Amino acid sequence: DVKVTQSSRYLVKRTGEKVFLECVQDMDHENMFWYRQDPGLGLRLIYFSYDVKMKEKGDIPEGYSVSREKKERFSLILESASTNQTSMYLCASSLESEIGRVKSEAFFGQGTRLTVV
Amino acid sequence: QKEVEQDPGPLSVPEGAIVSLNCTYSNSAFQYFMWYRQYSRKGPELLMYTYSSGNKEDGRFTAQVDKSSKYISLFIRDSQPSDSATYLCAMSAWAGNMLTFGGGTRLMVKP
Repeated sequence: DVKVTQSSRYLVKRTGEKVFLECVQDMDHENMFWYRQDPGLGLRLIYFSYDVKMKEKGDIPEGYSVSREKKERFSLILESASTNQTSMYLCASSLESEIGRVKSEAFFGQGTRLTVV
Repeated sequence: QKEVEQDPGPLSVPEGAIVSLNCTYSNSAFQYFMWYRQYSRKGPELLMYTYSSGNKEDGRFTAQVDKSSKYISLFIRDSQPSDSATYLCAMSAWAGNMLTFGGGTRLMVKP
């Protein structure tokens, strides 16, 4: 059974704190993603990684950084948490894209609901 | 203008009804189209996956893609209370999963 595991379901942090969100996948997937989900806005891509130590900015990278030291683990870091970063954070992973590959499903974790006070 | 538009609902239907969920998009490069279902307090899970235009059927679910109109639909036949969830459309230009999501439609199927 495929699995993407996020370390926390709920987190409450104070403004200005450094926050780490951890994600682990056990499917040997090359690609990993961090999204945030807000009502009416759907899922918005923060960062993604297509290989160890490789990262690319998504649509809303400001205020975030990421780390991928091992293939199975992708961490999202809020350098100095702010109240507008209160959101649901979703990690996902998928196989590497190949020419001719038709289907490449993204598997999601359960999400981390972060509240910044 | 958002790249993918989806009516947020909520959409409330009686059990057994046919449900139609829709998304429109503006990027003509999109060629992979997906529907994800997300139950409350859970991560999204893939429901349907289609490539390019056409229809795809899986049990009670049918996905339609009309690339000429930049419009995709998900139909649910004989809807059940267990179908109550938020449905997210997603699409990408390549199979490598740089997904662009709609905002999601919340569906409630009443017994």
